[in-house]
Amino acid sequence: GQQLNQSPQSMFIQEGEDVSMNCTSSSIFNTWLWYKQDPGEGPVLLIALYKAGELTSNGRLTAQFGITRKDSFLNISASIPSDVGIYFCFPRAGKSTFGDGTTLTVKP
Amino acid sequence: DGGITQSPKYLFRKEGQNVTLSCEQNLNHDAMYWYRQDPGQGLRLIYYSQIVNDFQKGDIAEGYSVSREKKESFPLTVTSAQKNPTAFYLCASSITVRYSNQPQHFGDGTRLSIL
Repeated sequence: GQQLNQSPQSMFIQEGEDVSMNCTSSSIFNTWLWYKQDPGEGPVLLIALYKAGELTSNGRLTAQFGITRKDSFLNISASIPSDVGIYFCFPRAGKSTFGDGTTLTVKP
Repeated sequence: DGGITQSPKYLFRKEGQNVTLSCEQNLNHDAMYWYRQDPGQGLRLIYYSQIVNDFQKGDIAEGYSVSREKKESFPLTVTSAQKNPTAFYLCASSITVRYSNQPQHFGDGTRLSIL
């Protein structure tokens, strides 16, 4: 079956620092989606990647679709307190599953 | 505004009772999904529906049931057969399952607890 690994599991950083997280899989995908979940709410789509090698930015967020189509990373620059939450990758190709999430804590 | 509405926000169940979680969308999406989220874990797929009057089991369907009588609505029943129902339940929708790369849009969830 599909093996999906999201890392790190959690991060504790100071406000202003940059953040990097990634997802790797044993399977090939044609889409990578990144979501953020605030406490007690549903996930919200941050970035969608549809092409291998694609690099996409959304404000302070940057995500890339790996050339092998088996991985993706998400970077957050100059973190702020409202970046706190759980970040999920969600690769798509037919039926697929969410990553286990990266929990981000930002200390002011 | 278009979106997905889940109700109630918090729900309490007694042992042996069935409870039904509501999910309504006005996005005109064909596909709808139910996920379960446990603390510190990702989302696990319970059921999904590609079209009215059709639905498929996900990875953890045991102890749950769904119906899809209307395009806008996809209620989830947590039955007494579900022995560990305490969790955060999320409903989502997407334009269609056929184009599997379409993003899913989520409601704000229902937190179910056992009394």
